[in-house]
Amino acid sequence: EPEVTQTPSHQVTQMGQEVILRCVPISNHLYFYWYRQILGQKVEFLVSFYNNEISEKSEIFDDQFSVERPDGSNFTLKIRSTKLEDSAMYFCASRQEADVGEAFFGQGTRLTVV
Amino acid sequence: RKEVEQDPGPFNVPEGATVAFNCTYSNSASQSFFWYRQDCRKEPKLLMSVYSSGNEDGRFTAQLNRASQYISLLIRDSKLSDSATYLCVVNPLTGGGNKLTFGTGTQLKVEL
Repeated sequence: EPEVTQTPSHQVTQMGQEVILRCVPISNHLYFYWYRQILGQKVEFLVSFYNNEISEKSEIFDDQFSVERPDGSNFTLKIRSTKLEDSAMYFCASRQEADVGEAFFGQGTRLTVV
Repeated sequence: RKEVEQDPGPFNVPEGATVAFNCTYSNSASQSFFWYRQDCRKEPKLLMSVYSSGNEDGRFTAQLNRASQYISLLIRDSKLSDSATYLCVVNPLTGGGNKLTFGTGTQLKVEL
C-alpha cells in the first residue's frame, strides 16, 4: 500500500536553530499538507500546498515557517529559528483530490526544541 | 463556537459494549466528513468517511445530520483493540486548500 514517509522520525534542536522536516507524499497525489500536534492537544492545520504554491495557511504558519517541493517528490517544512513552543509532532499528509477522499498521513516527526 | 467540537472523554467501557461518539461542526458549508483513529503518539488513520445517507463498516456506523451540523460514530461489540482516540474531521469549504479541520478527539478505553 502506498504511504507517506517522513524523515527524521525524531529531531532534537537547540532554540534558534533552523530545522527542515522532510516528507515524501504518495506519488499520484496533488494536495499536500503539514499539520502539527503538541503533546496532549489536537491536530492543528499549518499549511496546504497545491500546484507548487501555498493554497492556504493558518495563523500558526508565520514568517518563521516555509514550505517547498523542490524536486517534485520531496515536500519540506522549514522552521527558520525554532522556539521552545515549536516542540510538537509534525505530520505531513497528502491527498489525491480536494474536497473528498482520504488524506494519508505520514508517521510524523517529533521535534524537540531545547 | 469551535470549528469542530467533540467530548474529549475518556470513555471507559467493558469489552462487548456499544459506545457512541458525537461531534458538531460550525461551518454549514462543510463538504466532507470523516472519522479518523489515532493511537498514542501515532499518526491519524482514516476509520471511515461519513455520508449523508449514513454508512456502516462492520461494527462501525457513522451518521451525518447536515441540518443540525452533527456527526456520530457508533461502535458495536467493542474490542480491546478499539482503544484509541477517535477524531472527528471536517473538510470545510475554504479557498483552495481544502484543509481538514480536526476535533480534539474522544478517547476510548475498552477494558476486560
